[in-house]
Amino acid sequence: RKEVEQDPGPFNVPEGATVAFNCTYSNSASQSFFWYRQDCRKEPKLLMSVYSSGNEDGRFTAQLNRASQYISLLIRDSKLSDSATYLCVAPAYSGAGSYQLTFGKGTKLSVIP
Amino acid sequence: GAGVSQSPSNKVTEKGKDVELRCDPISGHTALYWYRQSLGQGLEFLIYFQGNSAPDKSGLPSDRFSAERTGGSVSTLTIQRTQQEDSAVYLCASNLQGRGYTFGSGTRLTVV
Repeated sequence: RKEVEQDPGPFNVPEGATVAFNCTYSNSASQSFFWYRQDCRKEPKLLMSVYSSGNEDGRFTAQLNRASQYISLLIRDSKLSDSATYLCVAPAYSGAGSYQLTFGKGTKLSVIP
Repeated sequence: GAGVSQSPSNKVTEKGKDVELRCDPISGHTALYWYRQSLGQGLEFLIYFQGNSAPDKSGLPSDRFSAERTGGSVSTLTIQRTQQEDSAVYLCASNLQGRGYTFGSGTRLTVV
């Protein structure tokens, strides 16, 4: 099993729709999780951090299910500007203050008018 | 600085030449990661520096790749005898333990 897995998509949704992505991780020792957004030919940018059960920021909600080892990202009222690739990452502590940082391959979202 | 700075932003080099890519992390960030991303692909881990610990080099694809981090700050990724398959965007990220990871805008390397 790969360390971090995501559905590559693409997810094509109309404006105003609600869309959800899942990300599964294999290392049960991971404590914190992050969702990143990457626009075409740009670097990834931090969207949300998830340290406990979940986090909400405006139209975006991230949830963590430790028992099933997945995190989800919910986007409500999708905007055209939400079109991007969404990456999840589950840092895993590897000792001596070090963290293995493995990214999923990303889920592509296209919001269509 | 305010963000992670990478230079050059673009580099075109001839096959067989050596290249050096630079990353200047956010001041005070102890962790520094190098990744590369080929067109349409995910992030491929290369190397990780954490404070004064020995770097995690497990992602380096061949012995043509090396990296160093001087004084716990600036890092240089060196690719020797470049090959066409080395063409990619090389991304650097830094982190203060427990916080999110901030990426630089990357170096786009093209080997011709």
